[in-house]
Amino acid sequence: QVQLQESGPGLVKPSETLSLTCTVSGGSMSPYYWSWIRQPPGKGLEWIGYIFSSGSTNYNPSLKSRVAMSIDTSKNPFSLKLNSVTAADTAVYYCARGWLGGNYFYMDVWGRGTTVTVSS
Amino acid sequence: SDELTQPPSVFVSPGQTASITCSGDKLGNKYASWYQQKPGQSPVLVIYQDVKRPSGIPERFSGSNSGNTATLTITGTQAVDEADYYCQAWDSMNTCVFGGGTKLTVL
Repeated sequence: QVQLQESGPGLVKPSETLSLTCTVSGGSMSPYYWSWIRQPPGKGLEWIGYIFSSGSTNYNPSLKSRVAMSIDTSKNPFSLKLNSVTAADTAVYYCARGWLGGNYFYMDVWGRGTTVTVSS
Repeated sequence: SDELTQPPSVFVSPGQTASITCSGDKLGNKYASWYQQKPGQSPVLVIYQDVKRPSGIPERFSGSNSGNTATLTITGTQAVDEADYYCQAWDSMNTCVFGGGTKLTVL
């Protein structure tokens, strides 16, 4: 049974870079679309982007200028970096396993999420 | 990116049928997915590719998608189904978009 676990600092200062890692256990990294999703307190879900197991990426246009994702299939984890953070980036961050087809995309396994607060 | 619109809240009595809608431009030409999220928990996929149920999801959950509207239907709603529900699709700009979420209250 595939499980995902997010990890990283719970507190980030404004203007700095948020860095998170997602560790996958119980399954292969290929050929899936590894996604990051966030949820601000009391609000809905926002897709940040995905990285395919080959390393290709696709980011939400609203965050594209600040986001970078990487993957190391030999060592398992995949990572998220979001730079120049502000209080608006305070959220629970989830990683998830994605499936992509011609006109569909869905995420069938999610991590438990990690809370990141942006504050000085 | 395309927008998906959901009603903020839906109320249903135990044992009755709950329907949660998700509207978007030509949504019927895309595949919709639905996620259930209970307080303090991560989302769970309950419907994908409009009508498919992942393993372990009860048969009372079903989906449909036509025209501009996708619908999640819960037949014989139980108290345990009380949660937030989010629709999601792959939009025309090749990005993932979520609806704003619907709070389902069973009372």
